[in-house]
Amino acid sequence: ETGVTQSPTHLIKTRGQQVTLRCSSQSGHNTVSWYQQALGQGPQFIFQYYREEENGRGNFPPRFSGLQFPNYSSELNVNALELDDSALYLCASRIRGKQETQYFGPGTRLLVL
Amino acid sequence: DQQVKQNSPSLSVQEGRISILNCDYTNSMFDYFLWYKKYPAEGPTFLISISSIKDKNEDGRFTVFLNKSAKHLSLHIVPSQPGDSAVYFCAAISSPVGTASKLTFGTGTRLQVTL
Repeated sequence: ETGVTQSPTHLIKTRGQQVTLRCSSQSGHNTVSWYQQALGQGPQFIFQYYREEENGRGNFPPRFSGLQFPNYSSELNVNALELDDSALYLCASRIRGKQETQYFGPGTRLLVL
Repeated sequence: DQQVKQNSPSLSVQEGRISILNCDYTNSMFDYFLWYKKYPAEGPTFLISISSIKDKNEDGRFTVFLNKSAKHLSLHIVPSQPGDSAVYFCAAISSPVGTASKLTFGTGTRLQVTL
């Protein structure tokens, strides 16, 4: 059984650019969520995907968007990057209905200059 | 509006002693509470959870206690080991019908277990 994987591990972008982060869910997990963790803070919920559709969103603007693919892998896209987008981006997967067991990937650290 | 609070940013405990990490919450609609451990350069690792209808859950060296009237939960680690040194996050889930189950995290407590 493979765990949650994310790519890339690190990324440097400049303001105004666009970025795509990728996540492969743990085998058998059909629900994926994305979180943003700023320095010194706990992770903040961005959105969740199930059956390739977004079915919940946190307090993030529309320039944060995502996709889920038939194999349950997922992408997070951020347009018009701002300096405050610098953070660790975490992907978590679970089986729908098993809300108490979410498993996280190692994260992608994004730096916006 | 911080719904889940961990008021102690850091804690130092001697090896073999008990570590107690605390967490307070404000939202009475939370269904589950979870504890995650995080090492640098890794994602959070699930440790233990507790349903809002229970007051205690135990798994090996880890026990979580929930006091609903006080809106408080705590994680006890006995005995503490050097490998337990990490940042511990308290998280809570609320899942109203038709919405996503999202985790709401505290800001974390850094545990240092000394020899």
